Amino acid sequence: GENVEQHPSTLSVQEGDSAVIKCTYSDSASNYFPWYKQELGKRPQLIIDIRSNVGEKKDQRIAVTLNKTAKHFSLHITETQPEDSAVYFCAASIQAAGNKLTFGGGTRVLVKP
Amino acid sequence: NAGVMQNPRHLVRRRGQEARLRCSPMKGHSHVYWYRQLPEEGLKFMVYLQKENIIDESGMPKERFSAEFPKEGPSILRIQQVVRGDSAAYFCASSLSPGLETGREGEQYFGPGTRLTVT
Repeated sequence: GENVEQHPSTLSVQEGDSAVIKCTYSDSASNYFPWYKQELGKRPQLIIDIRSNVGEKKDQRIAVTLNKTAKHFSLHITETQPEDSAVYFCAASIQAAGNKLTFGGGTRVLVKP
Repeated sequence: NAGVMQNPRHLVRRRGQEARLRCSPMKGHSHVYWYRQLPEEGLKFMVYLQKENIIDESGMPKERFSAEFPKEGPSILRIQQVVRGDSAAYFCASSLSPGLETGREGEQYFGPGTRLTVT
């Protein structure tokens, strides 16, 4: 089955700096890659996703890149703010196979003011 | 608020009791997924259901766990004879049909979770 590895497990950045989280996946059939933000005690919130037919997607301060050949994808947060502090999860799925998500282990991001 | 609803939000059970967790998907969504999150860990897929059908239960423990999504009413995740190791947050997520070409196929939206504590 699919296996998703996520690095780093913790990330501390100064407010205004950029944060980058990287994930690798094992199943070359995976074609949908969402990112979720989870604050303490809250639900995971979908913040951005990318499908295998594109290499990059941006939404304001957030961008995601996908390298299908290398089977890795990354989340980039620019101009970080204290409210970006949370745990971020990457995931991968195969849409034609029911789309169950396989999650990475998570990255705890702390943005220091 | 047409978001995914789960209840109860917190559930305490003694070892050996049954836990029943409910999930109502977003309006218009007919696909429900259940995930389990152990403390300080990521989310693990358990089961995927459509109305009246279990599509994929490859993540469900073989014993004590069952799920349903009846024609009417919420999806239910049932854990019989709970043990301490069942203590976790259980999240459900809903989506449109993964096969629809809406540009948003596959997007899963999560409910607030049920935090199960087994004493």
